[in-house]
Amino acid sequence: DIQMTQSPSSVSASVGDRVTITCRASQGISNWLAWYQQKPGRAPNVLIYAASSLQSGVPSRFSGSGSGTDFTLTISSLQPEDFATYYCQQTNSFPLTFGGGTRVEIK
Amino acid sequence: QVTLRESGPALVKPTQTLTLTCTFSGYSVRNSPLCVTWIRQPPGKALDWLAVIDGDDNKYYNTSLKTRLTISKDTSENQVVLTMTNMDPVDTATYYCALRGNHCYYGVDVWGQGTTVTVSS
Repeated sequence: DIQMTQSPSSVSASVGDRVTITCRASQGISNWLAWYQQKPGRAPNVLIYAASSLQSGVPSRFSGSGSGTDFTLTISSLQPEDFATYYCQQTNSFPLTFGGGTRVEIK
Repeated sequence: QVTLRESGPALVKPTQTLTLTCTFSGYSVRNSPLCVTWIRQPPGKALDWLAVIDGDDNKYYNTSLKTRLTISKDTSENQVVLTMTNMDPVDTATYYCALRGNHCYYGVDVWGQGTTVTVSS
């Protein structure tokens, strides 16, 4: 199975900050990576698919990059509604696997 | 508008079999390409991918759980069903079904609200 490692596990940031979350795959996955946002008590929502494609309806302050084994989710200017937990998921091969999550907290 | 609704028992006893149903509205389980997945989340923990069935009825499972899981389509009811045998308290979690009307490469973009399952005697 492909292991997905996210870092950091949590980050404290202020509104307006630029936030970067990284995700590393244990083997190459081309660009087949998705990013999800989850708020407490809610189902996740997809933000990015295929590493850098923005899901319809998602604000443009969210962006994704990377290929192979190393990937990044960037929030260019953190908004109050962005405080949540973020997960990466490799979609290259079955079984699909998630990272451990990154919690973005208010500083 | 496409919606998914999970249903199943809120409480199961250890060793019992869990059956969860994901009912589609606004979308047909017969469509292809299609990617329907089950994902769970234990309280306070990360997402855990369980199983997928695609438009061609290919099925794939979590490696550590594959002997216990079965995923299937019920086209007459427009549902996807997941069964998990030999339930244990560590299987206590919120169980989600999720969908993409495309190949699984693109992740999933429609989620149910989740159903909470507690395993306890």
